[in-house]
Amino acid sequence: AQSVAQPEDQVNVAEGNPLTVKCTYSVSGNPYLFWYVQYPNRGLQFLLKYITGDNLVKGSYGFEAEFNKSQTSFHLKKPSALVSDSALYFCAVRDSFTGGGNKLTFGTGTQLKVEL
Amino acid sequence: EAGVTQSPTHLIKTRGQQATLRCSPISGHTSVYWYQQALGLGLQFLLWYDEGEERNRGNFPPRFSGRQFPNYSSELNVNALELEDSALYLCASSWTELGEAFFGQGTRLTVV
Repeated sequence: AQSVAQPEDQVNVAEGNPLTVKCTYSVSGNPYLFWYVQYPNRGLQFLLKYITGDNLVKGSYGFEAEFNKSQTSFHLKKPSALVSDSALYFCAVRDSFTGGGNKLTFGTGTQLKVEL
Repeated sequence: EAGVTQSPTHLIKTRGQQATLRCSPISGHTSVYWYQQALGLGLQFLLWYDEGEERNRGNFPPRFSGRQFPNYSSELNVNALELEDSALYLCASSWTELGEAFFGQGTRLTVV
C-alpha cells in the first residue's frame, strides 16, 4: 500500500523568506510524486512532479521540490515566499507497481500562511 | 485549451435521494478520476475510468457508481444519499498513466 505523510498542518512564514513544506512517502516500487495547491473553494492545481531523473524538480510559480530516496521525502520549497502563496498544499504519491492508472494517494494537506 | 469542467458547481440534496455529478475531461485525455474531499477525511480516491470502463475503485460502498461515455466525459452517481456524503467531489483527467492529473473545480454536494 502507498501512503503519504505531511507532518505539519500549518506552516507560517514571512514574505520574502524561504519556505519548506514537508512530505514523506511510502511505496512498494518506485514512487511517482506530485505536489498540488488548492485555493479556497477551488480545485487542485498541479505544481510539479517527480517521475525519474534529477532529484531537484522545478515547477510552477517558482516552486521546487527535492526528492530524497534514502529519507523517502519530497519536500516542497520556494526561495522567497509571497503572500499570494498562502493556500493548502497537498503532496501525492503513485506507486509504479500498482497498475492503478493515475490513482493518487494524497497527504492530509499543509496550510501555508505567508504574512507581511 | 479548456480544462476539466464539472457541473453543477453546487448541489443540495435530501438524505435518501440520488445525486448525479458530471465531468468533462481535457480534450485528448481518456482517463477520468473521481475523488472525494470531505471535511476531516482529506482527499480520497473514488473511481477511475479509462476507455469507457471502470478500472479501479476506492474503498467506497456500491452506492457510489459512475460511467464514462464514448466522448470520455463521465458521470458520478451517488444513491441513497447520507449526510456524510456531503463533500467536494473532484474530477481529474490525464493523458497517460505517467502524466500529471489535471483537476476540475469540483462539485460541492450538500446532503440535508
